[in-house]
Amino acid sequence: SQELEQSPQSLIVQEGKNLTINCTSSKTLYGLYWYKQKYGEGLIFLMMLQKGGEEKSHEKITAKLDEKKQQSSLHITASQPSHAGIYLCGALYSGAGSYQLTFGKGTKLSVIP
Amino acid sequence: DGGITQSPKYLFRKEGQNVTLSCEQNLNHDAMYWYRQDPGQGLRLIYYSQIVNDFQKGDIAEGYSVSREKKESFPLTVTSAQKNPTAFYLCASSSPHRGGNQPQHFGDGTRLSIL
Repeated sequence: SQELEQSPQSLIVQEGKNLTINCTSSKTLYGLYWYKQKYGEGLIFLMMLQKGGEEKSHEKITAKLDEKKQQSSLHITASQPSHAGIYLCGALYSGAGSYQLTFGKGTKLSVIP
Repeated sequence: DGGITQSPKYLFRKEGQNVTLSCEQNLNHDAMYWYRQDPGQGLRLIYYSQIVNDFQKGDIAEGYSVSREKKESFPLTVTSAQKNPTAFYLCASSSPHRGGNQPQHFGDGTRLSIL
């Protein structure tokens, strides 16, 4: 089974609506990274979370890591067409000395004007 | 501006042919990575390198080879042994250090197709 599950796989929302994307790990996370990707392009780094209960915000996007460090959520407030794309979470499962990220399969977000 | 440059953007491979994807970074990062992205599959790690002249296999290294002769460069060769090379290939780099984990930064990708 997949170590890192993202849900939903795809999401269509009306402009101005709020939405949440979830990333659930089968193991305790050392770090959790959120990225955004436009089709056919590279990944753009959004936020990194490391501490249980941590929450970070950038403009209208907020990411949280739960206390047990096995689930993260990405919340977009008042969505805009510019938010459309694929959102991927990447998990770091061990500390210094291991740099591999395990990625979820992504959530495709469409925002209807 | 600092960043990661991948070339070419599009690449076509004939049967039995090896092709090399270029990845150059001027971020002074020690670690570099190659990922493969297929529709609905997310990113899968092919190879990574933590320092010059050293690299390790990732989850799907079969049919691929890499070199790391310079800190700035991490080319990926897709060999004829890779039977299903059609995919989007992404290169990334990072500067991991003790006490923290810096994010990986990505290039714009190379789309490889079979002729």
